[in-house]
Amino acid sequence: EPEVTQTPSHQVTQMGQEVILRCVPISNHLYFYWYRQILGQKVEFLVSFYNNEISEKSEIFDDQFSVERPDGSNFTLKIRSTKLEDSAMYFCASSEALPSYNEQFFGPGTRLTVL
Amino acid sequence: AQTVTQSQPEMSVQEAETVTLSCTYDTSESNYYLFWYKQPPSRQMILVIRQEAYKQQNATENRFSVNFQKAAKSFSLKISDSQLGDTAMYFCAFMTNYGGATNKLIFGTGTLLAVQP
Repeated sequence: EPEVTQTPSHQVTQMGQEVILRCVPISNHLYFYWYRQILGQKVEFLVSFYNNEISEKSEIFDDQFSVERPDGSNFTLKIRSTKLEDSAMYFCASSEALPSYNEQFFGPGTRLTVL
Repeated sequence: AQTVTQSQPEMSVQEAETVTLSCTYDTSESNYYLFWYKQPPSRQMILVIRQEAYKQQNATENRFSVNFQKAAKSFSLKISDSQLGDTAMYFCAFMTNYGGATNKLIFGTGTLLAVQP
């Protein structure tokens, strides 16, 4: 069964450094999402991406964040200058085309630790 | 803005018994979807069950069923014949269905379910 994959599974970085989290969505999916989960808290929406552009972003997704689909298979989340509060589990998700509804399939997550 | 509330941070159930997880939500929309996701200790979220708001019939998937009360904005999950593998965090989630390109999920805070042998 096809699945969403994410690399790395765990990333440790120093505050102020740039990180890139990578995701490979399910191949025929067209809609892509990033969510994050700070330890012990709820899963929060960050950004959605369709047709090579951001379709919606949350207040969390400030100028330090960017997303890209560089090669038609990978979907990346870049954090330009990490802060301690960026430490969280980051989940990528993908879904098929609309219109009825689209189940979002989640990857296993990348645990980001900012020191 | 839509919100999802799960009032039970933790629950415990004996193997083979039935347990019900609660979820309430708030929205002014009339057309939406509700979901229960399971997040096992390996942390990959898996869809358990979904409910379309326009359907009056409660969704059922094997041992999992929901009690959807639209007027009360309540969406509880019943797990029958609980198994050890059901031990996980369970998230209730909401999605507006307005046909836009976003369809973001709004999650509750989760209920940690422990199935005891």
